[in-house]
Amino acid sequence: DIVMTQTPLSSPVALGQPASISCRSNQSIVHSDGNTYLSWLHQRPGQPPRLLIYKTSTRFSGVPDRFSGSGAGTDFTLRISRVEAEDVGVYYCMQATTFPHTFGQGTKLEIK
Amino acid sequence: QITLKESGPTLVKPTQTLTLTCTFSGFSLKTRGAGVGWVRQPPGKAPEFLAFIYWDDDKRYSPSLKSRLTITKDTSKNQVVLVMTNMDPVDTATYYCAHRILASSGWHFNGFDYWGQGALVTVSS
Repeated sequence: DIVMTQTPLSSPVALGQPASISCRSNQSIVHSDGNTYLSWLHQRPGQPPRLLIYKTSTRFSGVPDRFSGSGAGTDFTLRISRVEAEDVGVYYCMQATTFPHTFGQGTKLEIK
Repeated sequence: QITLKESGPTLVKPTQTLTLTCTFSGFSLKTRGAGVGWVRQPPGKAPEFLAFIYWDDDKRYSPSLKSRLTITKDTSKNQVVLVMTNMDPVDTATYYCAHRILASSGWHFNGFDYWGQGALVTVSS
């Protein structure tokens, strides 16, 4: 299985400030079709995960443009340009290039 | 509008078999490229992939759980069923079904866009 490692595990951020979360895979997740199937999901307590970003940098429908994804190969980053109160919760990266799909440990975003 | 909903028992005893049903709407599992997966999440932990089924009935399983899992689909009922045998207290988790990503272009991509609300399953005697 591909191991996904996120840093930091916890991130206190002031409202209006930027936030950044890193995700690293222990091997390349570039698919044979040329795509890199790295997703970012956001989860609030008691709710299912919600897709934010797929294929490393494509924002899913309805996701605010303050969210952006970047990276290649084994290193990926989720950036929030200006944190809002509704952004609190846990963020997960997930690779879907190979089965089994695997998740990072999660990064808890909280307001400072 | 794509929606999914999990249903099944909330409590199972150790060694019993768990059967979960995902009933969906807004898409068809007859559509080329479509797929539905199952993911579980123990309390306070990260999600864990379990199984996936494609429109053409191709199936994928978590290697560590493969011997205990069976995924099937019923396209006439818009349902996907997951069976997990020999349940253990460590299998206590919220179980989610999720839809394979469908972009606005009409292409499907690996990953999950829409998730059900989840079904909490507790394994205890």
